[in-house]
Amino acid sequence: DIQMTQSPSSLSASVGDRVTITCRASQGISNYLAWYQQKPGKVPKLLIYAASTLQSGVPSRFSGSGSGTDFTLTISSLQPEDVATYYCQKYNSVPWTFGQGTKVEIK
Amino acid sequence: EVQLVESGGGLVQPGGSLRLSCAASGFTFSNYAMSWVRQAPGKGLEWVAAISGSGGSTYHTDSVKGRFTISRDNSQNTLFLQMNSLRAEDTAVYYCAKFAPPSGWFLGAFDIWGQGTIVTVSS
Repeated sequence: DIQMTQSPSSLSASVGDRVTITCRASQGISNYLAWYQQKPGKVPKLLIYAASTLQSGVPSRFSGSGSGTDFTLTISSLQPEDVATYYCQKYNSVPWTFGQGTKVEIK
Repeated sequence: EVQLVESGGGLVQPGGSLRLSCAASGFTFSNYAMSWVRQAPGKGLEWVAAISGSGGSTYHTDSVKGRFTISRDNSQNTLFLQMNSLRAEDTAVYYCAKFAPPSGWFLGAFDIWGQGTIVTVSS
């Protein structure tokens, strides 16, 4: 099975900072990669699909890039409401594996 | 409004069984593949099972094969997860989630999630 590895596991940044989270697949998955945001105590929410397509209603400060094995999620200007754990997920084939998550906090 | 509402969670002893349900509304249920995802306390997301829109194709993660069964009733717009031989490590919040593409198949992200139902396996 293809493994999904995120880094870092956690990060702390100041409001307004640019934040980047990476996700690496153990084999190529083309652009079949999604990013989810899960705020504390809440349900996961789809942010980005097809590696770089923003889901409707998601603020434009979020962006995604990558293809093949290496992907990034970028928050261009971190806001207090972005405190959450972020997960990548492959969906090219079974199993639909998630990364282990990256917890984002405000410094 | 597109909505998924899970039910059926609870406290069960090791070796016991539970049947989770997920009631769907606001979309043509049979046009979409569906999935179950779980999250153990303090842990990340784990995909559990998936089913095509027609119900003709199903997949389960290795750790639940032979114990859990995903199914659906398109006439009732409801998704199910039958869980047998439950273990302590099955303790988690169980979410149902909808695959995005309106093809009934699996090539897409999970665009709608339910609020989750808690399953606790303990003696």
